[in-house]
Amino acid sequence: DTEVTQTPKHLVMGMTNKKSLKCEQHMGHRAMYWYKQKAKKPPELMFVYSYEKLSINESVPSRFSPECPNSSLLNLHLHALQPEDSALYLCASSQVVPPTRDQYEQYFGPGTRLTVT
Amino acid sequence: EDQVTQSPEALRLQEGESSSLNCSYTVSGLRGLFWYRQDPGKGPEFLFTLYSAGEEKEKERLKATLTKKESFLHITAPKPEDSATYLCAVRVGATGRRALTFGSGTRLQVQP
Repeated sequence: DTEVTQTPKHLVMGMTNKKSLKCEQHMGHRAMYWYKQKAKKPPELMFVYSYEKLSINESVPSRFSPECPNSSLLNLHLHALQPEDSALYLCASSQVVPPTRDQYEQYFGPGTRLTVT
Repeated sequence: EDQVTQSPEALRLQEGESSSLNCSYTVSGLRGLFWYRQDPGKGPEFLFTLYSAGEEKEKERLKATLTKKESFLHITAPKPEDSATYLCAVRVGATGRRALTFGSGTRLQVQP
């Protein structure tokens, strides 16, 4: 099973709202990622968690707050977003140290389409 | 600075018309090159991983190859359902950095 699930599929929020995006995987992966993707652009890395600890923050504004409560779950808390934050938010997971080098690939969820009004 | 460039930006093929997509890279310390397929509004779907120059992998109508400077995704006798954006990504540097750097993608349209 190589499934990563994300909820909700769509989210519309105002600039003063607080909302959360959720991601779950049951592949035993200990690295999890948040990416942001604008239309017709490639995914851009936001955060990386390794063994439930934040290991990379790509200078993301503080209105985005990640959380990794356990090895299967990843959240992205949103507060006071701007219209330019509207995008597809993708979660991914991978092995941290795979048994063979052919297992470093990341598996992506279907994404959450976020619209900020 | 690490760079990944994909060409062409868009490609329109007739059903059955074989072609190749290119991904050229300039990185220090390649730790893997990955091909993904992405349908509109969906997450990228993993296709292949390549690590060494000369390596080749196949899956149905797709074949990925790798040299020291570029990778090709060959599509043989494509069908309309192969229409998607194909993304190339690289994993570089020390083991501490596990993120992928993506190219801008090739939007493929296969017409019946």
